[in-house]
Amino acid sequence: DADVTQTPRNRITKTGKRIMLECSQTKGHDRMYWYRQDPGLGLRLIYYSFDVKDINKGEISDGYSVSRQAQAKFSLSLESAIPNQTALYFCATGRDTGTGWRGEQFFGPGTRLTVL
Amino acid sequence: RKEVEQDPGPFNVPEGATVAFNCTYSNSASQSFFWYRQDCRKEPKLLMSVYSSGNEDGRFTAQLNRASQYISLLIRDSKLSDSATYLCVVNDQAGTALIFGKGTTLSVSS
Repeated sequence: DADVTQTPRNRITKTGKRIMLECSQTKGHDRMYWYRQDPGLGLRLIYYSFDVKDINKGEISDGYSVSRQAQAKFSLSLESAIPNQTALYFCATGRDTGTGWRGEQFFGPGTRLTVL
Repeated sequence: RKEVEQDPGPFNVPEGATVAFNCTYSNSASQSFFWYRQDCRKEPKLLMSVYSSGNEDGRFTAQLNRASQYISLLIRDSKLSDSATYLCVVNDQAGTALIFGKGTTLSVSS
């Protein structure tokens, strides 16, 4: 079984709809991240969380919200989807080594979202 | 301001060739450096960390030049399976997140 899973894997929705993308991990990592990837723009950080009570905005958080329901679960919501939110969304996890964060992150398989 | 810059390529090489990718980063305080590999429409996967003294993993060699804020990846004896996009990654100024370059595309042909 995959260590980091994302649901759904593909989603087509309409402008104005609310949509939630879910991420679960079995790696036991404290840190979780949401990214989006667009052609020519690379990976951009939306939100990240270092534990259940910690939520931080990333580079492009406008139009998104997140919820860290448990150590293993981190969901991303688009309250009112718009076409320019069409992208490939990745969840990732990372761990605090306790001796200085080395920063490796482990990615889920991605959710391909299309907003019409 | 581009924090991590890479030549997007594509680099088209024959099997067995040696190819090198370069990357520059803007944050002189960065402490963590990585190369990730991403296959088309797949998730990025860690290829290797980059250490100050340089490091090698099989056919892959990574180098770091802190003074020039420059990272490189050398692939020797290229295989068809090396065809992918290679992402240069450094940690951000706060040390809390990673900054990804846009990637360099490699295509290895027979």
